[in-house]
Amino acid sequence: DTAVSQTPKYLVTQMGNDKSIKCEQNLGHDTMYWYKQDSKKFLKIMFSYNNKELIINETVPNRFSPKSPDKAHLNLHINSLELGDSAVYFCASSQAWTGGGGVTEAFFGQGTRLTVV
Amino acid sequence: DQQVKQNSPSLSVQEGRISILNCDYTNSMFDYFLWYKKYPAEGPTFLISISSIKDKNEDGRFTVFLNKSAKHLSLHIVPSQPGDSAVYFCAASGGRFYSSASKIIFGSGTRLSIRP
Repeated sequence: DTAVSQTPKYLVTQMGNDKSIKCEQNLGHDTMYWYKQDSKKFLKIMFSYNNKELIINETVPNRFSPKSPDKAHLNLHINSLELGDSAVYFCASSQAWTGGGGVTEAFFGQGTRLTVV
Repeated sequence: DQQVKQNSPSLSVQEGRISILNCDYTNSMFDYFLWYKKYPAEGPTFLISISSIKDKNEDGRFTVFLNKSAKHLSLHIVPSQPGDSAVYFCAASGGRFYSSASKIIFGSGTRLSIRP
């Protein structure tokens, strides 16, 4: 019973295509994230949603568009894929910051390895 | 602009000895720090955390130390076991300073190998 699940696990596609990665969490968390792990292995935050509302939008090309149909889902749609988009994309979720003792830990999905050829 | 830095990309430790992984940060607004462990082809999994009001947090074989004046934290694993071989990510957050969702900033990771 996976807590944070992403599909697909692997995605190989040609330049210029449009693709989506889906993410679902069954933890009842309020906050979901997309992270990108690049070739240098950095985990960089891309987006964060809290209760379906976009909270964090880092400097990401507008070809990347997150969609949160409900609190349990945060999908990532990528238009006009480029070679540099090849990376591993991780979805994560956590409880929202409650204003008390700081943030709780984030739970990650297994990652989606995107290869653009 | 790396706000969380792990300067050692890899570390090799003999089984049974202590593993010490280091992490430095630059943003004094961070007030919550986390360590994640990652196996190949899996997502990172939470290991241990520490709030800035503490300087030490222990959980079994894992202890995290925080030195706020030096903006440095370390993860100690003792004794090290073969199953500890993984990539360890240090992460930080300024949870208290954001109005809603927090942003967790990760370091680049340290690959720990435990040799027999």
